[in-house]
Amino acid sequence: QSVLTQPPSVSGAPGQRVTISCTGSSSNIGAGYDVHWYQQLPGTAPKLLIYDNNNRPSGVPDRFSGSKSGTSASLAITGLQAEDEADYYCQSYDSLTGSVFGGGTKLTVL
Amino acid sequence: EVQVVESGGGLVQPGGSLRLSCGVSGFRFEDYAMHWVRQTPGKGLEWVSGVSWNSGRFAYADSVKGRFTISRDNAKNSLYLQMNSLRVGDMALYYCAKGSRIGVTDTSYHFDYWGQGTLVTVSS
Repeated sequence: QSVLTQPPSVSGAPGQRVTISCTGSSSNIGAGYDVHWYQQLPGTAPKLLIYDNNNRPSGVPDRFSGSKSGTSASLAITGLQAEDEADYYCQSYDSLTGSVFGGGTKLTVL
Repeated sequence: EVQVVESGGGLVQPGGSLRLSCGVSGFRFEDYAMHWVRQTPGKGLEWVSGVSWNSGRFAYADSVKGRFTISRDNAKNSLYLQMNSLRVGDMALYYCAKGSRIGVTDTSYHFDYWGQGTLVTVSS
């Protein structure tokens, strides 16, 4: 059971917009710690997708965006493409336990 | 180009020990904290341990505290994880990851570069 809670799966058709939520608590996201997002394609290592809540590393398309409010954060993907099918993880820092991840969300492109 | 390469994984019996290594290039190793993150096959990610830029601070997940020891050698651009008293629950793919900051405690940080992982199997 992860400290950060994500839906196990989401799906959407090509071109659509999907969002993935990440819910924490007062000791992590709610304490003001930043949220980061990773994309893991099948058989590969995680790749940084969004850092510090809403920043994209160089090379990440602007179809990906992040937001944070209160004890939660969200990842939004617009203009869904087949290549976006992957597992997505949120990550933050928890004052009680250290770095924490969400349980991951499997995105299926229909 | 940043490169992160783990090694040292393998098959070990419950109660045994293993030492993982991670070599990096492409950035100033001594300027950043480094971490180990593991992933059970088919499951999610779990942060294991981190060491600050100058080895002044260490951090461990409760699940490995007292059994695992993280260390680094800035002269060799290398990170290590000594794993003792291994359990079946420690079986996972272990990733070496570069932290975005110098510290590992009471600070927001992310992992901007990852290796491909080294597999640790704990079985009798």
